[in-house]
Amino acid sequence: DTGVSQDPRHKITKRGQNVTFRCDPISEHNRLYWYRQTLGQGPEFLTYFQNEAQLEKSRLLSDRFSAERPKGSFSTLEIQRTEQGDSAMYLCASTPRGESIQYFGAGTRLSVL
Amino acid sequence: DAKTTQPNSMESNEEEPVHLPCNHSTISGTDYIHWYRQLPSQGPEYVIHGLTSNVNNRMASLAIAEDRKSSTLILHRATLRDAAVYYCILRNYGQNFVFGPGTRLSVLP
Repeated sequence: DTGVSQDPRHKITKRGQNVTFRCDPISEHNRLYWYRQTLGQGPEFLTYFQNEAQLEKSRLLSDRFSAERPKGSFSTLEIQRTEQGDSAMYLCASTPRGESIQYFGAGTRLSVL
Repeated sequence: DAKTTQPNSMESNEEEPVHLPCNHSTISGTDYIHWYRQLPSQGPEYVIHGLTSNVNNRMASLAIAEDRKSSTLILHRATLRDAAVYYCILRNYGQNFVFGPGTRLSVLP
């Protein structure tokens, strides 16, 4: 499978714990996006990388959230001191150079108890 | 961000055509119209996009009104696997995608 891969698929954590999600984009896709999706809503943009540079962050991305893409390949999204309101599906997408189509992974579903 | 309006839900019978409408009265001249769909337990999937002319691909057709204030996604022959949430999104070059709640399509056997 050469699509966008996200790990883990599901994560259950207790309030106050830190969690980290990983996204492996399609090979040679230079742009990578993170979204959050809650039940019944469309995905909401969180942040965007072009290669290793984080070019845009939504105001939804509080200071408890941090994302990295250290070598311009895989990316991680970390949430510190999780809250129940962080429970959602976290989606990653990647786009090749010169295109506008975003290719999405299956997401990581986070449940904060 | 430009806004789109879609019906919350629609139903179709299997093997019949489906026309999913989208209104975007505030569209700008450089906004592309994108359609994505999201099957249960999956991430969104690209369907089609266009600027002014109607577009066809293996998945669907996109009919764009002459004034570009509305568009219609056409599935020529719905199958059970087409049951999904369909999102109509306007995007200008360099902008991020802004997803609304979309249209939940149910396909009846």
